[in-house]
Amino acid sequence: GNSVTQMEGPVTLSEEAFLTINCTYTATGYPSLFWYVQYPGEGLQLLLKATKADDKGSNKGFEATYRKETTSFHLEKGSVQVSDSAVYFCALSQAGGTSYGKLTFGQGTILTVHP
Amino acid sequence: NAGVTQTPKFQVLKTGQSMTLQCAQDMNHNSMYWYRQDPGMGLRLIYYSASEGTTDKGEVPNGYNVSRLNKREFSLRLESAAPSQTSVYFCASSDASHRGYTFGSGTRLTVV
Repeated sequence: GNSVTQMEGPVTLSEEAFLTINCTYTATGYPSLFWYVQYPGEGLQLLLKATKADDKGSNKGFEATYRKETTSFHLEKGSVQVSDSAVYFCALSQAGGTSYGKLTFGQGTILTVHP
Repeated sequence: NAGVTQTPKFQVLKTGQSMTLQCAQDMNHNSMYWYRQDPGMGLRLIYYSASEGTTDKGEVPNGYNVSRLNKREFSLRLESAAPSQTSVYFCASSDASHRGYTFGSGTRLTVV
């Protein structure tokens, strides 16, 4: 079945530091890949997505590139802010078969940014 | 505002009590989902409904039932709550492409 593995957290950074959160996946075919963000006490919000190999999703200074050769979708940001403190989830969805339309999530990575 | 609305936001139940979590979306999405979120485990799919009139089990369906009342509404029922069902529950909906999902704000359920 499908699976998503994220780097272990929590991640603690100083403001303006570079951020990478690793994400790798296992799936057949060509899934769509997502990063969701959850701010304290809130639901999940879509941060960015990519639907085919070599696509780059980007939003709010975050970006991730769909790498089929390494089955990865790592999240990066060049300069984090305190307001980026949240939980980040990598996820995939796959059309067709029994997985049709369902999201498979990684375990989440807690990011804390200090001033 | 368009989106997914969940009620209630918080609930405390005693072991053995029953309750229904409500979810409604106003985006004309065909597919709706119920997930639970537990620390260190991400979100796990409980049940989903690919379209009005259909429901299917997800990864962790035991102890739950669902009803797709119409295209807008998808409810989750706990018939006899157990402490293991203490969690945060999220409802979501998606469009036909399954490349755009919208989540509700969640229901924090504690079973004592």
